[in-house]
Amino acid sequence: NAGVTQTPKFRVLKTGQSMTLLCAQDMNHEYMYWYRQDPGMGLRLIHYSVGEGTTAKGEVPDGYNVSRLKKQNFLLGLESAAPSQTSVYFCASSYLNTEAFFGQGTRLTVV
Amino acid sequence: AQKITQTQPGMFVQEKEAVTLDCTYDTSDPSYGLFWYKQPSSGEMIFLIYQGSYDQQNATEGRYSLNFQKARKSANLVISASQLGDSAMYFCAMRPGDHNNDMRFGAGTRLTVKP
Repeated sequence: NAGVTQTPKFRVLKTGQSMTLLCAQDMNHEYMYWYRQDPGMGLRLIHYSVGEGTTAKGEVPDGYNVSRLKKQNFLLGLESAAPSQTSVYFCASSYLNTEAFFGQGTRLTVV
Repeated sequence: AQKITQTQPGMFVQEKEAVTLDCTYDTSDPSYGLFWYKQPSSGEMIFLIYQGSYDQQNATEGRYSLNFQKARKSANLVISASQLGDSAMYFCAMRPGDHNNDMRFGAGTRLTVKP
């Protein structure tokens, strides 16, 4: 029972490099979310998706792009990484009006 | 957009006592869901309890209960009979009940249970 799986778990990037974080869920959930967690600021919503082929901006979307080409996958892209994007990234998925299930998180450091 | 406020950065409680973690929210949506999550030092997000805005009764799950006061827009988490393993970060979250389903979190409260 995999639930929500994030790849990779850890990554170090140099400023200006690009990367993609992958989130995969096997629960047939419609809704998927990307958050970043920074000390003292809780979880802030980056982008989310209410279904395959749809995405929407959250609270802190700048510097990130997302795609949901398949219902089970939600990709988060950083085109040109900056030190301010050093954070722990969480993906989550849910049905409407139920709790969200979270991945284990990705610790990203941009140097 | 909705806003979630947790005003207690840190709380202490004696083992076996009860503790209340505060959460207030602001939304114009008539239908919404309220959630509490626990994040231990290991980092995973653990769902604790859910309250729907139209639910007539306060939600309970074992030692967790949600004190929902709709008119005051508050959804406080009550943990009864605290245990050492309850030491963690606790996050309140809200999601509108319509299809625009962006789920937002408060800044969290760090709970420390003292032996």
